[in-house]
Amino acid sequence: SQTIHQWPATLVQPVGSPLSLECTVEGTSNPNLYWYRQAAGRGLQLLFYSVGIGQISSEVPQNLSASRPQDRQFILSSKKLLLSDSGFYLCAWSPNTGELFFGEGSRLTVL
Amino acid sequence: AQRVTQPEKLLSVFKGAPVELKCNYSYSGSPELFWYVQYSRQRLQLLLRHISRESIKGFTADLNKGETSFHLKKPFAQEEDSAMYYCALRPYGQNFVFGPGTRLSVLP
Repeated sequence: SQTIHQWPATLVQPVGSPLSLECTVEGTSNPNLYWYRQAAGRGLQLLFYSVGIGQISSEVPQNLSASRPQDRQFILSSKKLLLSDSGFYLCAWSPNTGELFFGEGSRLTVL
Repeated sequence: AQRVTQPEKLLSVFKGAPVELKCNYSYSGSPELFWYVQYSRQRLQLLLRHISRESIKGFTADLNKGETSFHLKKPFAQEEDSAMYYCALRPYGQNFVFGPGTRLSVLP
C-alpha cells in the first residue's frame, strides 16, 4: 500500500535561517506531489505541485521554493525565512486522477 | 474562477442531533466534489466523494447542480464526529480547490 512521510513534524527557526521540509511517498511511482499551507479560517492554499522529476509549478509568489530530485521525493525550501512563513505545511500525493493523500504535516515557527 | 465556500467557521450541535455542513461551489463544468476531515492529532483524510455515492461513518452528501451545493449531512451526530471538515472541488484536469473549512463540535 502507498504511504507518505513528511518531516520534521515541528520546527522552530530564527528569521533569516534556511528551511528544508522533506516528503517521500512509498508504494507508488510517478505520483503527482503537492505542498499546501493550512491556515485557520483560510483552508488549504496550494503552494507548489509537481507532475514529475524536476517539474515544479508554483501557485503563489512567495519566499519559498520546491524541488523534486527523485520520483517520490518532494522538498520545500527557503534560503531566508520570514516571520510570515510560520504555519502548518502539508505534503500530499495523488494518482493522475482521484483523491489527495496527505502527510501528517510540519508545523514551522519562525522567531 | 473556481471557488468553494463554507459559510460556517464553527458549528456546534448536541450529541444525537442532526448535522449539516454547508458547501457551495462555483464551476462552469461538471464538478468532482469531495469532503475531507481532520480529526484531532490526525492527518487530513478523505471522508467521501460524490461519485462514490456512499455513506461513510453515517455521513452522506448529495450533489445539487442546480444550487451548486454539496452539503454534508448526518442524521445523528456523535462526539467522535468532532473535527475540521473541508469541502473540495476538483475541476476537470486541474488541481483541487478547497473551502475554508468548518469546525464541527459535537457536545455531550
